[in-house]
Amino acid sequence: DQQVKQNSPSLSVQEGRISILNCDYTNSMFDYFLWYKKYPAEGPTFLISISSIKDKNEDGRFTVFLNKSAKHLSLHIVPSQPGDSAVYFCAASAYRGAQKLVFGQGTRLTINP
Amino acid sequence: DGGITQSPKYLFRKEGQNVTLSCEQNLNHDAMYWYRQDPGQGLRLIYYSQIVNDFQKGDIAEGYSVSREKKESFPLTVTSAQKNPTAFYLCASSIPGSALRAFFGQGTRLTVV
Repeated sequence: DQQVKQNSPSLSVQEGRISILNCDYTNSMFDYFLWYKKYPAEGPTFLISISSIKDKNEDGRFTVFLNKSAKHLSLHIVPSQPGDSAVYFCAASAYRGAQKLVFGQGTRLTINP
Repeated sequence: DGGITQSPKYLFRKEGQNVTLSCEQNLNHDAMYWYRQDPGQGLRLIYYSQIVNDFQKGDIAEGYSVSREKKESFPLTVTSAQKNPTAFYLCASSIPGSALRAFFGQGTRLTVV
């Protein structure tokens, strides 16, 4: 039962353009969402998060959008840079219940020069 | 420097042997987690601990065991009962709460031959 899904295993974007990574979830109890960035053979690093009381959170080039009715969130990276090439994981947690993060399968983003 | 240390980075073991992966944190976090990453898959939760001397099974606990005798340490033992132990193992820690955000170690690549 995959509660958090990233349906695009990979995405290729031209440098300078916008990258949009998508994530869907099924558990309506989730109320906090995060994006992590991961390079090969390293641990994931936190990128940006959003609480369910908001529909948008922005941090520099990174913006996360949350659509609760559709149970969908997306990460926008503008402008995309070569250093953004990595695997991006979407994660979710619920305040009520087990205190743990549930991760999606990840999307490999490649930024082409 | 505060952080999470996993050791070793690479580990080789013969089939049928138990092996213990180390995870230490000096962030003073109450919660600790073990995740497993396989190619093309997301991070799957093996075990987690909210507090010393207490831990819960995650989604794929079979063939693994943990202990939490100290706040700083959460070792994971991969037993011979684990059918596919070769994977990238990630340890994380967090402060439990509504804005759950996990900090990850650099990971241990376990190869069973």
